[in-house]
Amino acid sequence: NAGVTQTPKFQVLKTGQSMTLQCAQDMNHEYMSWYRQDPGMGLRLIHYSVGAGITDQGEVPNGYNVSRSTTEDFPLRLLSAAPSQTSVYFCASSYYGGQPQHFGDGTRLSIL
Amino acid sequence: TQLLEQSPQFLSIQEGENLTVYCNSSSVFSSLQWYRQEPGEGPVLLVTVVTGGEVKKLKRLTFQFGDARKDSSLHITAAQPGDTGLYLCAGAGMDSSYKLIFGSGTRLLVRP
Repeated sequence: NAGVTQTPKFQVLKTGQSMTLQCAQDMNHEYMSWYRQDPGMGLRLIHYSVGAGITDQGEVPNGYNVSRSTTEDFPLRLLSAAPSQTSVYFCASSYYGGQPQHFGDGTRLSIL
Repeated sequence: TQLLEQSPQFLSIQEGENLTVYCNSSSVFSSLQWYRQEPGEGPVLLVTVVTGGEVKKLKRLTFQFGDARKDSSLHITAAQPGDTGLYLCAGAGMDSSYKLIFGSGTRLLVRP
């Protein structure tokens, strides 16, 4: 059972480049979310989805887009990368919102 | 905006000592979750507390949810080097989105 799979594990971008962080889960979870983790700041919610076709903003949504065309996948897009977006990004899922989250192993993103 | 304050931010203790980590907020949560995170991995759920005043034990770890459901604590008895890691609390909001709000984390180092 794979759980939550995130790709890539590491990525280096130049300022202004765009990219998509992939997240897939095989547990048939309705709720999926993206967090960023910065030193001393815990996890901050970027975007979340309560089901296919439904997304909403979290605490820090600016500079990121998401879509949820299937139950399994929830990609996160950086439209024009900025150094302030250097962080570790985690995708998580659960059956419903507020329930314990299953996390992927993260994507470590550096923007130069 | 709901906030969760976690203290202390960093704790370095000798094997065999006891410790307590606190998670406080001015907001009421429907539930409170505790996670532990190892380097290079995503957070893993330790426990969920739901009822005000609830106490849960997981081997040498004791979790308590405040009577008013605004705060929680994690107590570790006779800490071992294997307890080393980042401990995160997360509160589920009372609104319909059930978003999780994370504390900033407590980094625990247990020295042999």
